[in-house]
Amino acid sequence: AQSVTQLGSHVSVSEGALVLLRCNYSSSVPPYLFWYVQYPNQGLQLLLKYTSAATLVKGINGFEAEFKKSETSFHLTKPSAHMSDAAEYFCAVSDSTGGFKTIFGAGTRLFVKA
Amino acid sequence: DGGITQSPKYLFRKEGQNVTLSCEQNLNHDAMYWYRQDPGQGLRLIYYSQIVNDFQKGDIAEGYSVSREKKESFPLTVTSAQKNPTAFYLCASRGQNKQKYEQYFGPGTRLTVT
Repeated sequence: AQSVTQLGSHVSVSEGALVLLRCNYSSSVPPYLFWYVQYPNQGLQLLLKYTSAATLVKGINGFEAEFKKSETSFHLTKPSAHMSDAAEYFCAVSDSTGGFKTIFGAGTRLFVKA
Repeated sequence: DGGITQSPKYLFRKEGQNVTLSCEQNLNHDAMYWYRQDPGQGLRLIYYSQIVNDFQKGDIAEGYSVSREKKESFPLTVTSAQKNPTAFYLCASRGQNKQKYEQYFGPGTRLTVT
């Protein structure tokens, strides 16, 4: 069965510092992996996705993520945090064994300090 | 502009009443989904539909019902049988019925039952 674990329900960084949000997945077949961002009282917006092409995936707003099969990880990074990055971030996984479902992690709330 | 609309944004009901949440999309997507979001629990799948006149239960379908009479519309009814209905409800759609494609989300409806 698929699963997603996001390490750290809350992450706090200073403006201009590196952002690192951790995601580990479990899947018995090659996965498709996604990162979404959610601002308060809004829906989710796709940041980036991995679909078995390049292992380093670049997304919107300067975010990127690297698929590491050996570590079953798909961590999200951004070199320099901006105040507008403060939001909740969700890692998600889907694969052919899960039918049409996508499994979401519990989310990580990012705080950015001035 | 194409997208998903959910109405209303905020909804208040008395305990024991059924309530229907609206979800409409003009993206010409086949698959549609309903999720429930509670703090610290990520997104949990309530129902999903891959095609008109067909839908399947998700992980937490008890106390909910749906219909899919039109491709564009996937309303969710929260019945009085749902024990803890207060939550943020998100509707999503996906254009391609393949796991590697991302879901598009509506802005959500926050339901409060007292």
